[in-house]
Amino acid sequence: ELKVEQNPLFLSMQEGKNYTIYCNYSTTSDRLYWYRQDPGKSLESLFVLLSNGAVKQEGRLMASLDTKARLSTLHITAAVHDLSATYFCADPLQGGSEKLVFGKGTKLTVNP
Amino acid sequence: DADVTQTPRNRITKTGKRIMLECSQTKGHDRMYWYRQDPGLGLRLIYYSFDVKDINKGEISDGYSVSRQAQAKFSLSLESAIPNQTALYFCATSDPGVAGTQFFGPGTRLTVL
Repeated sequence: ELKVEQNPLFLSMQEGKNYTIYCNYSTTSDRLYWYRQDPGKSLESLFVLLSNGAVKQEGRLMASLDTKARLSTLHITAAVHDLSATYFCADPLQGGSEKLVFGKGTKLTVNP
Repeated sequence: DADVTQTPRNRITKTGKRIMLECSQTKGHDRMYWYRQDPGLGLRLIYYSFDVKDINKGEISDGYSVSRQAQAKFSLSLESAIPNQTALYFCATSDPGVAGTQFFGPGTRLTVL
């Protein structure tokens, strides 16, 4: 069965703290996508990780991909309230992005 | 103007009614997708299309049909809506030359009573 498992599903953290969201997937994909969704809004692309060992950073967010472990991480550094959102990872089947399988999402709340 | 638009944005309908959700894009992408989002379940792929003549079923196509009227337009139909089709529906597009990233529309919130 094809699975994309994120954990935790809910994360409440204080501003200034660090934390990591984990995304385990079951296929042999060599790429992985991360999206952000604000409440009531659409999905916004955050990162595309295209190979084993890929690391991408944008502001306080850093994503990495380990295809051998079938694991991607999204690390949050010194969280701020504006990062409060739901974060999804997505695994593309068949090598391309045509059939993305999404995780259930991690709802992040950053408290002052 | 938004690159991917969806109409309507909100719709309330009754069980058994036929309903069509429309998606238009100005990104020039060949690939288009329809997803549904349910609380706590992430997004699930309903149908996808690589071009006007190429339409494929996704994970949960039962109860849905699609039409690709042009490169820029992809419609989703519920022939006879049922309450468990109440969800948030997203259209997306992608260009394989941009690492395959999918770009999402604003969503349509559908309620079936």
